[in-house]
Amino acid sequence: AQKVTQAQTEISVVEKEDVTLDCVYETRDTTYYLFWYKQPPSGELVFLIRRNSFDEQNEISGRYSWNFQKSTSSFNFTITASQVVDSAVYFCALSEETILKTSYDKVIFGPGTSLSVIP
Amino acid sequence: DVKVTQSSRYLVKRTGEKVFLECVQDMDHENMFWYRQDPGLGLRLIYFSYDVKMKEKGDIPEGYSVSREKKERFSLILESASTNQTSMYLCASSLLGNQETQYFGPGTRLLVL
Repeated sequence: AQKVTQAQTEISVVEKEDVTLDCVYETRDTTYYLFWYKQPPSGELVFLIRRNSFDEQNEISGRYSWNFQKSTSSFNFTITASQVVDSAVYFCALSEETILKTSYDKVIFGPGTSLSVIP
Repeated sequence: DVKVTQSSRYLVKRTGEKVFLECVQDMDHENMFWYRQDPGLGLRLIYFSYDVKMKEKGDIPEGYSVSREKKERFSLILESASTNQTSMYLCASSLLGNQETQYFGPGTRLLVL
């Protein structure tokens, strides 16, 4: 069965600190996809990144970076030099590939990590 | 940019009222979804649709129905609102296949009194 664990419920950091949000997943498929979303206080989930299971290359986008390690089933997200605008709930999600359009195996969202960046 | 809009950001209704939540996407996506989000329970899928007039139940369909008459529009209907349906409702859309990224609307915070 699929499962996504985000063990950190809440994290507080002081502005300009680096912070890593952990995501551990479980799946029996060899082909799967991992996502990160950001939900600021306004409520809208904003897509940050998608990674497929065959691409273990780490990715950097500005102050954001992602570390995908299949050996430990983890897809961790690091914010460098955090800012107050980074305060949000961050969700990690997992899905498996579908072939039939009617065969929808839902995307599994983790419980989220609430990040507070203190000025 | 993908744009998913929802008809209301905030809604207050009374118990027993029929409630319509509308969602529109402008990216010609086949899939559309309705989730509810509650503290401690995360995101739970209510219904999804992969084509016009097609729908599939998610995890918690009881008390809800949906309608998809046009590709860009997906409506969530609470036939007789109850206080336990007070929640944040999120609509999303994606291309076919659940490996595709889901793009979310701003959400509707519904309060049922």
